[in-house]
Amino acid sequence: GAGVSQSPSNKVTEKGKDVELRCDPISGHTALYWYRQSLGQGLEFLIYFQGNSAPDKSGLPSDRFSAERTGGSVSTLTIQRTQQEDSAVYLCASSWDRSRGYTFGSGTRLTVV
Amino acid sequence: QQQVKQSPQSLIVQKGGISIINCAYENTAFDYFPWYQQFPGKGPALLIAIRPDVSEKKEGRFTISFNKSAKQFSLHIMDSQPGDSATYFCAVLGANNLFFGTGTRLTVIP
Repeated sequence: GAGVSQSPSNKVTEKGKDVELRCDPISGHTALYWYRQSLGQGLEFLIYFQGNSAPDKSGLPSDRFSAERTGGSVSTLTIQRTQQEDSAVYLCASSWDRSRGYTFGSGTRLTVV
Repeated sequence: QQQVKQSPQSLIVQKGGISIINCAYENTAFDYFPWYQQFPGKGPALLIAIRPDVSEKKEGRFTISFNKSAKQFSLHIMDSQPGDSATYFCAVLGANNLFFGTGTRLTVIP
């Protein structure tokens, strides 16, 4: 597609429920990133996928967070047993490789009530 | 641990003025220094970037100044316009990913 697509754009969930956030990167981009942006804060790195290599999960804040990338394209970020502190905008970005500029999606705004 | 420190947190500039945002880093292994612009409800968009082999890069009204010895880089917006009102993030490239500053909210007053 023309840009990075994320869905849903907004998600409200009850505390303790699981949520799945989806990212469709730009076709041909081998690198895919997930970041979290809390209100008024910077962007917190979560996870990085590069081609068929093992992902860099060093930014995931707890074992409730996981992500996968199927077929080197679409990625899903899963948050299990959501907590109120998980409320944030989750941004996905893709790139040709780690050294190039990223293209971000518009994000998924997650609200845990 | 914050890999890059950004200041100021917010900035108000008159139309036509110069906006300056500063960033500082510690790790000399960083080799790519981009700036991103973010409007409300949108993801950040790459604005301009520089590599450490040059001290300045200019694209239109936007200029990055890079001081390798001081480990600092800054974004200058000349002739600031109300349409430049947005949040600006500096970033540094680590081994696998970009690390972002905490952002500067720029408001340009007409």
